Amino acid sequence: AQSVAQPEDQVNVAEGNPLTVKCTYSVSGNPYLFWYVQYPNRGLQFLLKYITGDNLVKGSYGFEAEFNKSQTSFHLKKPSALVSDSALYFCAVRDFPTYGNNRLAFGKGNQVVVIP
Amino acid sequence: NAGVTQTPKFQVLKTGQSMTLQCAQDMNHEYMSWYRQDPGMGLRLIHYSVGAGITDQGEVPNGYNVSRSTTEDFPLRLLSAAPSQTSVYFCASSGNRRGDSPLHFGNGTRLTVT
Repeated sequence: AQSVAQPEDQVNVAEGNPLTVKCTYSVSGNPYLFWYVQYPNRGLQFLLKYITGDNLVKGSYGFEAEFNKSQTSFHLKKPSALVSDSALYFCAVRDFPTYGNNRLAFGKGNQVVVIP
Repeated sequence: NAGVTQTPKFQVLKTGQSMTLQCAQDMNHEYMSWYRQDPGMGLRLIHYSVGAGITDQGEVPNGYNVSRSTTEDFPLRLLSAAPSQTSVYFCASSGNRRGDSPLHFGNGTRLTVT
C-alpha cells in the first residue's frame, strides 16, 4: 500500500530565509505526488503536483517541489519564506492509476512557523 | 462559484445518536470522498465515490455510511455516534477518476461526540 512520511512535526524558519518541508513516499508503481496547505479552520488547498515530466515542479504562492525517484522524496521548497506561509502542509501520494481509484494517502502534516 | 460546500460547520452529538454530514459540489466532478482529520494522524479516507450510484470503502469506513444518488451530493451518515468519531471531517472532490487532478476540499465539519 502507498504511504507518505513527513519526518518533522514542525518547521521553524525566519522570514526571508529558504523554507523546506520534507516528504518521502512508498508506492508500488510510479507515483502521483501532491502538496496541499491548510490554514486554520479551513479545508486543504492544492499547491502543486508531480505526475510525469520535469522533476522540478512549480506551484502556487512561489512554492516548488523536486521529485527524486532514487531517494523516493518530494520535498517542498520556497526560496524566501513569508509570515503568511505559516500553515499546516500535507504531502500526498497516489499509486500509478488503477482506473476509477483516486485514493490518496496523506502524510501527518508539518506545521510551518515563519518567524518575523 | 461555491466549489465544495459542507454543512454543518460544527456539531455536538451524544453517544448513540445518528446524524448526516452534508456535502455538495457544483463543479460536476466525478470523484467525491470523505476524510477525517485527527491530530498527528493526517487525513484518513473514510469512503469515496467515482460517480453517481457507485461508492466504496476507504481506510476507516466502520461506523459510517454513504450514498451517491446524484453527481452533486455525497452525504456521510454516522449510524450510532461514538466518542472515537470526534474529529474534523472533510469532503473533497476531483474532476476525474484518473488521479492526476487535484482534490478540492470543503471547509470541514467539526464533530464532537460526548
